[in-house]
Order: sequence, then structure tokens, then C-alpha cells
Amino acid sequence: GENVEQHPSTLSVQEGDSAVIKCTYSDSASNYFPWYKQELGKRPQLIIDIRSNVGEKKDQRIAVTLNKTAKHFSLHITETQPEDSAVYFCAPWSSGSARQLTFGSGTQLTVLP
Amino acid sequence: KAGVTQTPRYLIKTRGQQVTLSCSPISGHRSVSWYQQTPGQGLQFLFEYFSETQRNKGNFPGRFSGRQFSNSRSEMNVSTLELGDSALYLCASSLGSSGTDTQYFGPGTRLTVL
Repeated sequence: GENVEQHPSTLSVQEGDSAVIKCTYSDSASNYFPWYKQELGKRPQLIIDIRSNVGEKKDQRIAVTLNKTAKHFSLHITETQPEDSAVYFCAPWSSGSARQLTFGSGTQLTVLP
Repeated sequence: KAGVTQTPRYLIKTRGQQVTLSCSPISGHRSVSWYQQTPGQGLQFLFEYFSETQRNKGNFPGRFSGRQFSNSRSEMNVSTLELGDSALYLCASSLGSSGTDTQYFGPGTRLTVL
């Protein structure tokens, strides 16, 4: 099955700074790479995703970059705001035998005002 | 469109009992996946149902089971509850035609086993 490692586990940044979270996976058949945000007491919500034929995708202050050779993808948040404080999960998906989302262990992002 | 709903939202049971949780997907979605979320193990995949058939299963004991009805609503059942089953159980629905379809999560059912 897929082994997923997410770093760092906690991240504190000053408001306005950038934050980067990295996710490393093991299954070379993985071809879909979403990031989910889970605020305290709420459900996980997809914030951005990328497919294996694309190296980078941006959506306003959020971007995801993919390095298939090295088997990792990263979430980039620029100009962070207090409402970005949440737990972020990567969840690479494999079309191989796994056929399921395997979630990383999560990164607690705290944006300090 | 209404979002994914789960019932009940909170549940307290004792060891040895069994429990049934329900998930109603977004209208038109045919796939329902179930996840267990705990502070120690994070989000772990339980199983996925598509068109009333279990399409995929995670690494959980047979005490965990599920089913899906013709209207795509899904239930999961946990028998002979153990203390370690205390967790937030999340379901997620998607169109299901492709594994890369966006999954939309429900609010979860918080299960406490005493």
C-alpha cells in the first residue's frame, strides 16, 4: 500500500508570511494529489488538487507543486491570514491496487496575528 | 445542492455493543467512502461503496462492515465495540466514475465507547 509522510507536523507563521507543507508518497502509480483543510471541529474540505500530468497549479493564495520523479508534492500558502489556521492533510490517490485516498498525518498550521 | 449528511452526530456506547452509522451523499453521487479519524492514527480509510457494491476496503477487522442502498445512502456497522473504536467517523461522497473525483465529506459521527 501507499506510504505517505507529511512534514512538518506543526507550523507557526506570522500573518502575511508564506507557509509550505510537503508530502512524500511511495506508490509510483499515484496520479491524483489533493490537499484538504480541516478547521477545528469541522469536516475536511478540498482546497486544491493536482493531477500527474501537471507540475503546478495555483488558486489565488494557494498553490500545489508536484515532483513525480522524487515522489513528493507541496502545498504553498502565500500572504497567510488567521483564517488559514487549520490542519492540512495531503491525500495522494493511486489508480493501482490501492484505489483509495491515503491521508498524511496532518500539519497543524497556526497563523499568528 | 444539499451537502453530505451523517446521523447521528454523537453516540455513546459501551464495550461489546454494536452501532450503526448512516451517511446520505450529495444527490447524484454514487460513491460513498468511510474514514475513521483519531488523534493517534489520523484519517484512515475503512471502505468504499459504489452502486451498492463494496469496491475497496481498508485494513480494518471484520467487526467493521458497511452497505449501500439503491439510493446511494450508506450505513456502516461496528460490532462488539472496543474502547479503541472511539473516534470521529467521516463519510465522503463523490460521483464515483473516477478515483480522482472530488470527495465531499460529511460532518462526521463522534463515537465514544465507554
